[in-house]
Amino acid sequence: AQSVTQLDSHVSVSEGTPVLLRCNYSSSYSPSLFWYVQHPNKGLQLLLKYTSAATLVKGINGFEAEFKKSETSFHLTKPSAHMSDAAEYFCVVSPYNNNDMRFGAGTRLTVKP
Amino acid sequence: DTEVTQTPKHLVMGMTNKKSLKCEQHMGHRAMYWYKQKAKKPPELMFVYSYEKLSINESVPSRFSPECPNSSLLNLHLHALQPEDSALYLCASSQLPRSTDTQYFGPGTRLTVL
Repeated sequence: AQSVTQLDSHVSVSEGTPVLLRCNYSSSYSPSLFWYVQHPNKGLQLLLKYTSAATLVKGINGFEAEFKKSETSFHLTKPSAHMSDAAEYFCVVSPYNNNDMRFGAGTRLTVKP
Repeated sequence: DTEVTQTPKHLVMGMTNKKSLKCEQHMGHRAMYWYKQKAKKPPELMFVYSYEKLSINESVPSRFSPECPNSSLLNLHLHALQPEDSALYLCASSQLPRSTDTQYFGPGTRLTVL
């Protein structure tokens, strides 16, 4: 079975400092992995995705993630946090043979002024 | 245009009411999805439609009845709901039902069952 574990339920950073949101995955096959962001009372927006091409994936708003097969990780990073980055972030895995996405529990990012 | 629209934005209904949620996309996508999201929880997949046919039903109670009248439209019919069904209902679409395809989400319908 495919699953993801987000290692932190809440991350707090100061504006202008780096962001690291951690995600480990479990998959028997090479999975597709996604990071989505959800602002309060909004739908989900795709930040970036990995689909077995380049292991370093660049997304929108300065976010990027690196697929590390040896560590079964897909951590999300951003060099400098902005106040508008405060939101809930979901790491998602999709099995190789369909689009039945499985969400992690989410990480709430707080950005302090 | 990567927009998925959902109506209504908010819905309050009693346990004996019948109501419907509507989702629409005009991106030519052939896969559409319903998710349920409780407060402070991740979305949970309910149904998947592939080429207008129901392909996945995640053991959802029969008081939720999906319908896909055409490739652009997805409905969720609600009947005899329980207060615990109160949640944000999200619709999504993707080009095809493939693991590599991005799902585009609508803003959701916030449902309250009294």
